[in-house]
Amino acid sequence: AQSVAQPEDQVNVAEGNPLTVKCTYSVSGNPYLFWYVQYPNRGLQFLLKYITGDNLVKGSYGFEAEFNKSQTSFHLKKPSALVSDSALYFCAVRGYILTGGGNKLTFGTGTQLKVEL
Amino acid sequence: NAGVTQTPKFQVLKTGQSMTLQCAQDMNHEYMSWYRQDPGMGLRLIHYSVGAGITDQGEVPNGYNVSRSTTEDFPLRLLSAAPSQTSVYFCASSYSSGGYEQYFGPGTRLTVT
Repeated sequence: AQSVAQPEDQVNVAEGNPLTVKCTYSVSGNPYLFWYVQYPNRGLQFLLKYITGDNLVKGSYGFEAEFNKSQTSFHLKKPSALVSDSALYFCAVRGYILTGGGNKLTFGTGTQLKVEL
Repeated sequence: NAGVTQTPKFQVLKTGQSMTLQCAQDMNHEYMSWYRQDPGMGLRLIHYSVGAGITDQGEVPNGYNVSRSTTEDFPLRLLSAAPSQTSVYFCASSYSSGGYEQYFGPGTRLTVT
């Protein structure tokens, strides 16, 4: 079975400082990894994904994530946080179809990011 | 494009009542799915479909039915509502499974009393 862990329920950071939201995963074979963001009373919005290739993936709004196969991690980062980045962030994993997990996207429990002035 | 639309936005049911949550997409996506979001539990997959006429169960399918008669529509039926089904429900679609990102609807907030 595939799973995702987001070890921090909340991350607080000052505006202008770098931010990291952590994610580790477990899946059979190579993973497809995703980050989504949810603003209050809204649906989830796609931020970025790792499929294959370069371990550093760049996405929307200046976010990036680094895939680390040996540590089974996919941490979300941004060099300089904005107050408007405050939201709920979800990491998700999907395995390759041939290993049986390809049709199911498994989400972590989410990390609330709070950026303060 | 309207993207993924869901109706209703809010619903209150009494225990034992049934209802259907509607979901539609206009992006010609093959893959559609239903999730429920509960505090501290993230999103959990209820049912999904890889194309018209094909559906399968996710993590938490009990108490819910789905069908997919067209590419565009993927309704979720609550057969006999229970307070444990109080949640926010999201529909999502993507071009396919695998490495394709999903597009989410705005959600339906359901309360069962």
